[in-house]
Amino acid sequence: NAGVTQTPKFQVLKTGQSMTLQCAQDMNHNSMYWYRQDPGMGLRLIYYSASEGTTDKGEVPNGYNVSRLNKREFSLRLESAAPSQTSVYFCASNTRDRGIGSNQPQHFGDGTRLSIL
Amino acid sequence: KNEVEQSPQNLTAQEGEFITINCSYSVGISALHWLQQHPGGGIVSLFMLSSGKKKHGRLIATINIQEKHSSLHITASHPRDSAVYICAVRAGGSQGNLIFGKGTKLSVKP
Repeated sequence: NAGVTQTPKFQVLKTGQSMTLQCAQDMNHNSMYWYRQDPGMGLRLIYYSASEGTTDKGEVPNGYNVSRLNKREFSLRLESAAPSQTSVYFCASNTRDRGIGSNQPQHFGDGTRLSIL
Repeated sequence: KNEVEQSPQNLTAQEGEFITINCSYSVGISALHWLQQHPGGGIVSLFMLSSGKKKHGRLIATINIQEKHSSLHITASHPRDSAVYICAVRAGGSQGNLIFGKGTKLSVKP
């Protein structure tokens, strides 16, 4: 199983450029997440999608947009990249089991290392 | 103050040593996760627990809900255990999103 696949793995952008980070999962999970990881900080949630057709802001959504294209795919877009968005971006997915009020562990992609000059 | 605090931040051990990594949190939670981030960057989930203790191979995770504290133990450590270990909690009554600690970087020397 591929699990969670992120593309690209590395990218360098100039300030003001736009780009879309792609994420796809093949585990039939209903929930997907985008995080950023910065030195000296824990993972921070940018946006999440609890189910197909819904998206919600996380802790640090400014400067980003997302699209839940279908159950498998959840993309993250930087419309006008800024140096402060230099980071490692992780996509994750899981199944939310509301019936017993607990979530399952999240499965992570390998990350996208993004540098903005 | 961070809602999830891990200690130590960095840990160096000799192969074979018993290792303990601690996690304290300040919010009511419904579950706590331990994750491992490999030197190459990939993140895998090790444990999810809401009470008591779980064991998988040489890894043991415990949680004390009353004290808001969890520990991750590694027995007979090996250089391949070198990684960053991350504690994350799901706040009770929330949407279910995780709050992450900053991680503990473990280096096991042969």
